[in-house]
Amino acid sequence: AQSVTQPDIHITVSEGASLELRCNYSYGATPYLFWYVQSPGQGLQLLLKYFSGDTLVQGIKGFEAEFKRSQSSFNLRKPSVHWSDAAEYFCAVGASGGSYIPTFGRGTSLIVHP
Amino acid sequence: DAGVIQSPRHEVTEMGQEVTLRCKPISGHDYLFWYRQTMMRGLELLIYFNNNVPIDDSGMPEDRFSAKMPNASFSTLKIQPSEPRDSAVYFCASSLRENQPQHFGDGTRLSIL
Repeated sequence: AQSVTQPDIHITVSEGASLELRCNYSYGATPYLFWYVQSPGQGLQLLLKYFSGDTLVQGIKGFEAEFKRSQSSFNLRKPSVHWSDAAEYFCAVGASGGSYIPTFGRGTSLIVHP
Repeated sequence: DAGVIQSPRHEVTEMGQEVTLRCKPISGHDYLFWYRQTMMRGLELLIYFNNNVPIDDSGMPEDRFSAKMPNASFSTLKIQPSEPRDSAVYFCASSLRENQPQHFGDGTRLSIL
């Protein structure tokens, strides 16, 4: 079965600084990969997805993620963080040839300092 | 597009009472998912449906939990009897197909006293 790890429980950055949130997955087949964001009191919202093709994926709100098969990673990046980006971020992985139903990571809480 | 609609948004009830959470998925979506979110355990998949049929309920914690989907536009998650450890935020999500992104509702915050 696929699994996904988000090594960082909390990340603190200053407004305007760059951001990278880590996501590692475990599965032998080609994965489907997602990043979601959850603001307080709300459900999860899709930021971006990777199914195939270009390994650098652009998403909403200025986010991007890069699929690196050799490292089994799908890290989320943003060049300049805004205070409104403070939220919980979830990586999810589903797998072709097995269960497509995505497995979610535990999440990373992003704190933005002014 | 109205999105996934959950009701109620908040529920506070006493231990032992029956709790019913409701979900209206996005029209045309074939898959419906119920999740539970807590600080301790994160986001847990409880059960999911395909075309109104339960496919995998292995995440349902106990027999006290049950879920139904009588038609394509409505699903319920029931807890009977409820216990304080059931306190959590419960999310419903739907997707067009199995490998497509899920659309989440805003959740029901459940508190069992």
